[in-house]
Amino acid sequence: DVKVTQSSRYLVKRTGEKVFLECVQDMDHENMFWYRQDPGLGLRLIYFSYDVKMKEKGDIPEGYSVSREKKERFSLILESASTNQTSMYLCASRRTPASETQYFGPGTRLLVL
Amino acid sequence: GESVGLHLPTLSVQEGDNSIINCAYSNSASDYFIWYKQESGKGPQFIIDIRSNMDKRQGQRVTVLLNKTVKHLSLQIAATQPGDSAVYFCAELASGGYQKVTFGTGTKLQVIP
Repeated sequence: DVKVTQSSRYLVKRTGEKVFLECVQDMDHENMFWYRQDPGLGLRLIYFSYDVKMKEKGDIPEGYSVSREKKERFSLILESASTNQTSMYLCASRRTPASETQYFGPGTRLLVL
Repeated sequence: GESVGLHLPTLSVQEGDNSIINCAYSNSASDYFIWYKQESGKGPQFIIDIRSNMDKRQGQRVTVLLNKTVKHLSLQIAATQPGDSAVYFCAELASGGYQKVTFGTGTKLQVIP
């Protein structure tokens, strides 16, 4: 089975702090994604990565950056956390663009005070 | 813009009855559809998928129906159980290029014992 893990289930940070969210998948998937999930808005794509060291902006990249130094790991970085970044963050991976199904991690619930 | 939406935000069903969750999509180019289940505090879990060359696909206790004429997708759960209580959302995807996935906002299924 595909396993996608996220470094934290819950995080509390203060405004202005730099925040790192880590995601690891164990199935050698090429593609990885970061979403945020907010009530009434569904899943919104922040960034995605086709492969190592490759990244593409999603629908809402402002205030975020990402890093993909190793195939199994995709990091989301909030350079200076703000209260409007309080959300549930979900990481996902999939094998290739031809394999449509994305497999999700358990999520990180981030609260920015 | 294109959207994927659900008709009912909350659905209450008696245990043992069948559940039907609906989804409307607007992108006529979408050719792959996925249903996810998200339990409280967890990441979305793949349930079943269907391609546009099909109008019905069955899994274990679940059936997905696709009506391309009216751009409508439904998930049927047979003999609903308390463990089926969750938020269900659909996703659509158009082949070609990156294959951007659009997610619906979700329907909460409540199973009454």
